[in-house]
Amino acid sequence: AQKVTQAQTEISVVEKEDVTLDCVYETRDTTYYLFWYKQPPSGELVFLIRRNSFDEQNEISGRYSWNFQKSTSSFNFTITASQVVDSAVYFCALREGYSTLTFGKGTMLLVSP
Amino acid sequence: DAGVTQSPTHLIKTRGQQVTLRCSPKSGHDTVSWYQQALGQGPQFIFQYYEEEERQRGNFPDRFSGHQFPNYSSELNVNALLLGDSALYLCASSSRRAPGTDTQYFGPGTRLTVL
Repeated sequence: AQKVTQAQTEISVVEKEDVTLDCVYETRDTTYYLFWYKQPPSGELVFLIRRNSFDEQNEISGRYSWNFQKSTSSFNFTITASQVVDSAVYFCALREGYSTLTFGKGTMLLVSP
Repeated sequence: DAGVTQSPTHLIKTRGQQVTLRCSPKSGHDTVSWYQQALGQGPQFIFQYYEEEERQRGNFPDRFSGHQFPNYSSELNVNALLLGDSALYLCASSSRRAPGTDTQYFGPGTRLTVL
């Protein structure tokens, strides 16, 4: 069975600090997909990134970067120079083949000025 | 390009009542999935509709049912409401038409409160 673990329940940082959100997953499939979503207080889940199991290349998008390591079953998310607008709950999710998404419990990020 | 829309935004019901939530997918999407998100938890998969049929279902009782219309919009119905059904209900749409288009995009959700 697939499982996603986000061990960090809540993280508090001061603006301009770098912060890394951890995600560890479990799956028996060789083909799977990993996702990160952001959920601001408004409630809507905003898609951030998708990564396929056969593509371990790390990705950078502005202040956001993702580190995918199959050897440790991890897909960590780093925000560089955090801003107050980054405050939200962040969810890591896993999909095996064409099945549906399995989410972690989320990490609440609080960025204070 | 309109994103996923859901209605209503908020809803208050009493135990035993029935509720219907609605979702319109993102333009070009043909698949709708529904999730329940309890306070402080990650979303839990309820079911997925494609071509007007339920294709996959999560661990939810038969009180939860759904429908997909020819225009790809969808409804989620919950009968005999329980206090534990209070949650944010999220709709997500995606496409099965081409590889890489199956990323799920979410709507703003409907917050259901059962008293």
